[in-house]
Amino acid sequence: EAGVTQFPSHSVIEKGQTVTLRCDPISGHDNLYWYRRVMGKEIKFLLHFVKESKQDESGMPNNRFLAERTGGTYSTLKVQPAELEDSGVYFCASSQVTGRYMRTEAFFGQGTRLTVV
Amino acid sequence: DQQVKQNSPSLSVQEGRISILNCDYTNSMFDYFLWYKKYPAEGPTFLISISSIKDKNEDGRFTVFLNKSAKHLSLHIVPSQPGDSAVYFCAAKEDRSSNTGKLIFGQGTTLQVKP
Repeated sequence: EAGVTQFPSHSVIEKGQTVTLRCDPISGHDNLYWYRRVMGKEIKFLLHFVKESKQDESGMPNNRFLAERTGGTYSTLKVQPAELEDSGVYFCASSQVTGRYMRTEAFFGQGTRLTVV
Repeated sequence: DQQVKQNSPSLSVQEGRISILNCDYTNSMFDYFLWYKKYPAEGPTFLISISSIKDKNEDGRFTVFLNKSAKHLSLHIVPSQPGDSAVYFCAAKEDRSSNTGKLIFGQGTTLQVKP
């Protein structure tokens, strides 16, 4: 069974440009999360989808970030326009169930390293 | 305001010895804690977890201890192996976010196990 896959693995763009990251969760996983790790710091939550609905988007930094999950399958995260501080590694994760103790743990993709120059 | 803190950015131990990774948290609403391991150029992988109703959980060479009064947890790896060399992230989940599954991560500790 395929794991969580993300593309591209690497993206270098200029400040002001637009970048779209894609995440394909594990088949059958209704929960999809986006996280970001900046400059070797902590991994920070961005948002959570349950199927195609945004359950929690409290971690989205600003309105330059737009996440979608049409049809409840794959998800995209668009940054427009990109700024220097958006550089980092963007992780996607998926899980099968979400309960009080999240007993089905989230599986992470390998991440997309975004560099804004 | 960082709610989960891993104050040791790195740790080096000899193969066969015990590795102890520490994590402190500030939010008393956290009720579930996890450790993830991350190799370079890979995503974090789940290692072990513990709920707030327990103070210890063991899985093979890995044991997590939770001290709620001190808001502290630790991961013990015994015996340590060179393949354990990775970045270890502590993470916590809020009780009130049980519908979201949102995890709060620490900044990670890089473990190096020397042969």
